[in-house]
Amino acid sequence: EDKVVQSPLSLVVHEGDTVTLNCSYEVTNFRSLLWYKQEKKAPTFLFMLTSSGIEKKSGRLSSILDKKELFSILNITATQTGDSAVYLCAVGNTGNQFYFGTGTSLTVIP
Amino acid sequence: GEEVAQTPKHLVRGEGQKAKLYCAPIKGHSYVFWYQQVLKNEFKFLISFQNENVFDETGMPKERFSAKCLPNSPCSLEIQATKLEDSAVYFCASSQVGVIYGYTFGSGTRLTVV
Repeated sequence: EDKVVQSPLSLVVHEGDTVTLNCSYEVTNFRSLLWYKQEKKAPTFLFMLTSSGIEKKSGRLSSILDKKELFSILNITATQTGDSAVYLCAVGNTGNQFYFGTGTSLTVIP
Repeated sequence: GEEVAQTPKHLVRGEGQKAKLYCAPIKGHSYVFWYQQVLKNEFKFLISFQNENVFDETGMPKERFSAKCLPNSPCSLEIQATKLEDSAVYFCASSQVGVIYGYTFGSGTRLTVV
């Protein structure tokens, strides 16, 4: 059964902290892993990862994929209150099906 | 069940034909959300329901698109007179408590309009 598991389910940190969000997967015919930020109506795309070991970076956010161990991490450094959101991980297969985790709810306290 | 079930997985329609997509949320989840994913992995919010009531429909195109969540039935998203630009993956998600927490997404329905 294809599945995506995110951890932790929720996280509360103080501004300035660094957080690491985890996404592990078991998906047949893996094609890509995507990270999204969900804070309002629709998820906002953050990263797409297809190759192991290559870090993608955007400002204070970065992500890396390990296709051998079947997981990805999303790092956020120097967190701000605006980072408070649910972070979703989705894995797509070669048949263009997507499997989502249930998200990690991040709360950043001033 | 513990998954959001979307059917069919793939749907091909000729321009002008009707398309109907279904979503069975997780039992006990009060909220259902529909999204359209067109390009570059971006999601467009369409509509949300709280039980059988429309919660937010600000993303729904005013023409041709309609959606329902009736008791004891899967939720549905219907597109009348499909157009080429309706080609997309349509995702459904359900949640117990609303927008921010505990989403579960379905695996999507890929609609191709030819």
